[in-house]
Amino acid sequence: GQQLNQSPQSMFIQEGEDVSMNCTSSSIFNTWLWYKQDPGEGPVLLIALYKAGELTSNGRLTAQFGITRKDSFLNISASIPSDVGIYFCAGLKSGGSNYKLTFGKGTLLTVNP
Amino acid sequence: DADVTQTPRNRITKTGKRIMLECSQTKGHDRMYWYRQDPGLGLQLIYYSFDVKDINKGEISDGYSVSRQAQAKFSLSLESAIPNQTALYFCATSDLPVIARELGNEQFFGPGTRLTVL
Repeated sequence: GQQLNQSPQSMFIQEGEDVSMNCTSSSIFNTWLWYKQDPGEGPVLLIALYKAGELTSNGRLTAQFGITRKDSFLNISASIPSDVGIYFCAGLKSGGSNYKLTFGKGTLLTVNP
Repeated sequence: DADVTQTPRNRITKTGKRIMLECSQTKGHDRMYWYRQDPGLGLQLIYYSFDVKDINKGEISDGYSVSRQAQAKFSLSLESAIPNQTALYFCATSDLPVIARELGNEQFFGPGTRLTVL
């Protein structure tokens, strides 16, 4: 089946630093989603991207839908300790009754105060 | 109150036992999903349902079955649990996508069920 390559697998940074992570695929998606998962909880949607080339911000988070529709990146600026968690990208193909949301394997972010 | 709830939150069982995980939602969404999460593997789709009585297989449906008897409830069953089904299980819901830029494709996740099969 189709796969998403998410990188890096993990990051250990100092508070205040900027963070960048990305996902690539051999398949085209019509939606890209970025989720964050805190320990013991389900993923929570951070940003949704619906159009190739789209750049969307949510506070300190910025994400872009790659122009080829096969990739996306997420940036976090001025990281803070509560940014700690696992970040997942997800690519969606949908149309009528056909629906497939594929998740990347996650990026584990650790922020050192 | 949480919009998507899962019961139980934790379960330890033995090989060969039948297990049912329940998911309920108060969001009024038509679409519901069951995912499995293993360390380092992200989330894998087991089954999904677009409406009551509608059932569709996901990537890893073998060994699992589901039931959607009501809009608000979607249950996942393991007919005969095996140790490699030890994982975190998440239920999710989404509304119908209306327009491409609407958040109709957003999935809302429950808190998860940690299942251990001995």
